Amino acid sequence: KNEVEQSPQNLTAQEGEFITINCSYSVGISALHWLQQHPGGGIVSLFMLSSGKKKHGRLIATINIQEKHSSLHITASHPRDSAVYICAVKGRSGGGADGLTFGKGTHLIIQP
Amino acid sequence: DSGVTQTPKHLITATGQRVTLRCSPRSGDLSVYWYQQSLDQGLQFLIHYYNGEERAKGNILERFSAQQFPDLHSELNLSSLELGDSALYFCASSLTRDSFNEQFFGPGTRLTVL
Repeated sequence: KNEVEQSPQNLTAQEGEFITINCSYSVGISALHWLQQHPGGGIVSLFMLSSGKKKHGRLIATINIQEKHSSLHITASHPRDSAVYICAVKGRSGGGADGLTFGKGTHLIIQP
Repeated sequence: DSGVTQTPKHLITATGQRVTLRCSPRSGDLSVYWYQQSLDQGLQFLIHYYNGEERAKGNILERFSAQQFPDLHSELNLSSLELGDSALYFCASSLTRDSFNEQFFGPGTRLTVL
């Protein structure tokens, strides 16, 4: 079983829809990251969370530490939001020196 | 642009060969992480260097090694290459070695082993 589980694996929606991507993890973490990977392959860091909620433009990320769960929301979705969204966690073991552990990603397609 | 650079962008080589991938972190960042993204395994952590010293190892094969130089750039050496080593290799940098700093990813090196 993966330490980081994302759902859904694939999501196709119409432009303007509200999008939610979920991430559950099984280990104690010090931080959770949401990343975006475009078809060209480059990875962009969207959010780093250790508690609560963060907002950047049309993107909102929340985390519930007790339930080991995070969500990424996209409001007023647009075709340019089409990408793979990856949840990754930073474990507490190793004094924080370990790298990120990644979910398998959610492939999002927004149709015009 | 994250400020992290990686060279080369693409690399095509044959089985049994050795290659070196290079990463320059953002100005001021002391930590460099190496990650491998393959079709079957997804993204995996390979190794972390902080200010020239190895800090943590992940799923890095014995055929792979890395180092970080005094100017903080890092190199990932892959030897005795196999077909299964074909993947995207990313480096990411962060300010410190602890958990509370964002990681900035480079554009990646796409390695194809024929």
